[in-house]
Amino acid sequence: GEDVEQSLFLSVREGDSSVINCTYTDSSSTYLYWYKQEPGAGLQLLTYIFSNMDMKQDQRLTVLLNKKDKHLSLRIADTQTGDSAIYFCAEIPSGTYKYIFGTGTRLKVLA
Amino acid sequence: DGGITQSPKYLFRKEGQNVTLSCEQNLNHDAMYWYRQDPGQGLRLIYYSQIVNDFQKGDIAEGYSVSREKKESFPLTVTSAQKNPTAFYLCASSIRGWGEGETQYFGPGTRLLVL
Repeated sequence: GEDVEQSLFLSVREGDSSVINCTYTDSSSTYLYWYKQEPGAGLQLLTYIFSNMDMKQDQRLTVLLNKKDKHLSLRIADTQTGDSAIYFCAEIPSGTYKYIFGTGTRLKVLA
Repeated sequence: DGGITQSPKYLFRKEGQNVTLSCEQNLNHDAMYWYRQDPGQGLRLIYYSQIVNDFQKGDIAEGYSVSREKKESFPLTVTSAQKNPTAFYLCASSIRGWGEGETQYFGPGTRLLVL
């Protein structure tokens, strides 16, 4: 079946690093995305990684990709209260343009 | 400002009533999408359109209908046949609706509630 898996909840202290994990389904997926959703809002694109990359860094965000295990992670350095949101990973299997979304991880940052 | 707008922010539906959710984009994107979001679940695709006057069913199209008469507009109608319409509805668009790696950009969403 097509299930992209994420943990439902993550709680961290302000200033610590957060690591949000995602296991995707299709090893042929060429692009993998991370989106952020704040309460009552739409999805905001955070970053994406192409499948021929192992890592991508963008300011406080680091994306790691392990194609062998079909594992994607998003690390947020120096997590702030404004980072509290739901984070979705999504894949696009090769040959399609349809997104397959994970269930989302709710990140709570404690002051 | 370029972007995607959705209206209304909240919508109430009575039993047996059809309601229409608006989605407009001024990004000059060819493709547009409608998703449904339920608590604790990922987004599920309802309908998508790759080009004007063409659209295809997604994974959960039953009880919904769409039209794409203009490039910038993709309204979604929730019909009375949709028995469990309470959800958060998200519209998205991408430059093209084909090929790989098409980043989708999302609107702010409409929350539909049943009275």
